Amino acid sequence: QSVLTQPPSASATPGQRVTISCFGGNSNIGSNTVNWYQQVPGTAPKLLIFGNFQRPSGVPDRFSGSRSGTSASLAISGLQSEDEADYYCATWDDSLNGPVFGGGTKLTVL
Amino acid sequence: EVQLVESGGGLAQPGRSLRLSCAASGFTFQDYAMHWVRQVPGKGLEWVSGISWNSGDIVYADSVKGRFTISRDNAKNSVYLQMNSLRVEDTAVYFCAKTPHSIVAAGTRFDYWGQGTLVTVSS
Repeated sequence: QSVLTQPPSASATPGQRVTISCFGGNSNIGSNTVNWYQQVPGTAPKLLIFGNFQRPSGVPDRFSGSRSGTSASLAISGLQSEDEADYYCATWDDSLNGPVFGGGTKLTVL
Repeated sequence: EVQLVESGGGLAQPGRSLRLSCAASGFTFQDYAMHWVRQVPGKGLEWVSGISWNSGDIVYADSVKGRFTISRDNAKNSVYLQMNSLRVEDTAVYFCAKTPHSIVAAGTRFDYWGQGTLVTVSS
């Protein structure tokens, strides 16, 4: 059971917009910034969004992040087949004194 | 180019030990905190341990506390994970990850990851 709750799956067709949610609590998302990772099965995770909404160099602006209260969201617009992957949210948890990850969301591009 | 290369994985019996290594290159290793994150095949990511730039701050997940020890050698640009009293549930791919911060508590922004090394604990 992950500290951060994500839907296990999401799907959309190419060109559409999809949103992935991440629910936490006051000791984690409510107090700390959220980062998002993309992982293609069989490869290492890749930093997608940091500091709630910032994109590392090279990440397309189709990807955007937001945080409100104790939840965060990752939005992908103009969906492409290459976006099919697992997505994880992560943040620091003050009560656990360590990082916590969401359970992951498997995105399928139909 | 930043590179993180893990090694030391393999098969171990329950109760035995393994030592993982992560060799870093392409950045000033001594300036940054490093972490280990694991993933059971087909499952999600689980943070394991983190160490600050000067080894002054070390944190562990409750699931490995007292059994695993993280350390680093800045002269060798390497971070290690000594895993003792291994359990079947420790079976996972272990990734080392770099942060752009010097301290562990600065957050969960892991900007570079290694390719991972598989640890299998089985009798």
